Formats: sequence, structure tokens, C-alpha cells
Amino acid sequence: GESVGLHLPTLSVQEGDNSIINCAYSNSASDYFIWYKQESGKGPQFIIDIRSNMDKRQGQRVTVLLNKTVKHLSLQIAATQPGDSAVYFCAEINTGGFKTIFGAGTRLFVKA
Amino acid sequence: KAGVTQTPRYLIKTRGQQVTLSCSPISGHRSVSWYQQTPGQGLQFLFEYFSETQRNKGNFPGRFSGRQFSNSRSEMNVSTLELGDSALYLCASSLEGGELFFGEGSRLTVL
Repeated sequence: GESVGLHLPTLSVQEGDNSIINCAYSNSASDYFIWYKQESGKGPQFIIDIRSNMDKRQGQRVTVLLNKTVKHLSLQIAATQPGDSAVYFCAEINTGGFKTIFGAGTRLFVKA
Repeated sequence: KAGVTQTPRYLIKTRGQQVTLSCSPISGHRSVSWYQQTPGQGLQFLFEYFSETQRNKGNFPGRFSGRQFSNSRSEMNVSTLELGDSALYLCASSLEGGELFFGEGSRLTVL
């Protein structure tokens, strides 16, 4: 199957620290990107998105950065909390292709 | 508004059998996508349906098929099950081109 690659499969951070999760995407025609969070026993849930005409977008405690030159996406979580422990997926969408391609996922562990 | 509903949540089959999984999307969502998730793997795209038409298909063998009904509900079918088909099958609905809303999945175990 097709997938978007990730640089780090697991990430362990101390509670209160900032987390950075990275992702490399493959299709330069992708025009929309989303980060999803998947908790145990649940389906992935939307965290934040960014269009290809932007390079940064901020939400509540989360920031997504997009570097189209090197086809790189990152998710920054400020003041990481135990509830942030989950698997995080980046996803790229070519809105004309009717499919969303997901990365392999990064598991985030938050140490109390 | 009710979320995406998938049934059954858990099922066990034996090799060679076939299985049908069901997905009810969020009301008003006409796009339904299916993904396979295996331990340690990402989400592998199976297919996407919109208004009863399959618009895109992933790299899976023909044993994997799906359909969508006029009320946007969708089913996927896997025939001649293999051990490697054991996975969490996730359905997601969306307004066209936007965020995916996932169900909790159907966990299939093939013995």
C-alpha cells in the first residue's frame, strides 16, 4: 500500500516539555495536509491541518509547519501532557485524487 | 450528530472464509473511505466511495471489494481470507476533500 514516511517511529518526552514529530511526504502534488491522533482502541482523530499555500498554522498547544521545498511536515506540541500519549499520523491529500495517504505513525510516550 | 458507526466491532474467521464489514457515515457525508491497519503499520488505503461510485482504489488484491448504497452506507467484503488479513479495518466519512471522521473500526482475526 502507499504511505507517507516518518523519521521517528517512537518519541519519549517528559511531561511539560515540547514534542516535535516529523514527517516526509512523497507527492509534490499534495495540496492539503492533516495531522491525526490515534488513542488506543479508537480511530484516528483530527488535530490540525494546513493547506499547501501556507507554511505554518497554530492551534491550541499545537503547531504544524510545512516545508514544500523538501516535502517535510512537522507537528509541534507545546507543554506535552500525559493525555497526549498516542500514535500520531501525518496525512497528505491530493484533493483531486479522492484519497488520503497516511504515514506509518509515531508513538508518543509522555513520562510523568 | 452521530459519529461513524462500524459493525461488527470484533470478529473471528478462519482461513478461506469471507467477511462483510459495514459502515454508517456521519449524516450528510457522501464520501466513505476504508483503511486497513495492522500492528506496527500505518493506515493502508483500500478504497473510497462517493455517491455509490468507487473513485479510487489502493494496492490490494481483488479479494478486497466494497460498495456504497444510496443512503451512503458502505460495506467492504474480503473473500478467501488469509492469515495476513487479520487487522483493524477502519472506515472514515468526509465532506468531499476534507477531514476524515473515523469510526472505531472492526477488528478481524483470521485463524
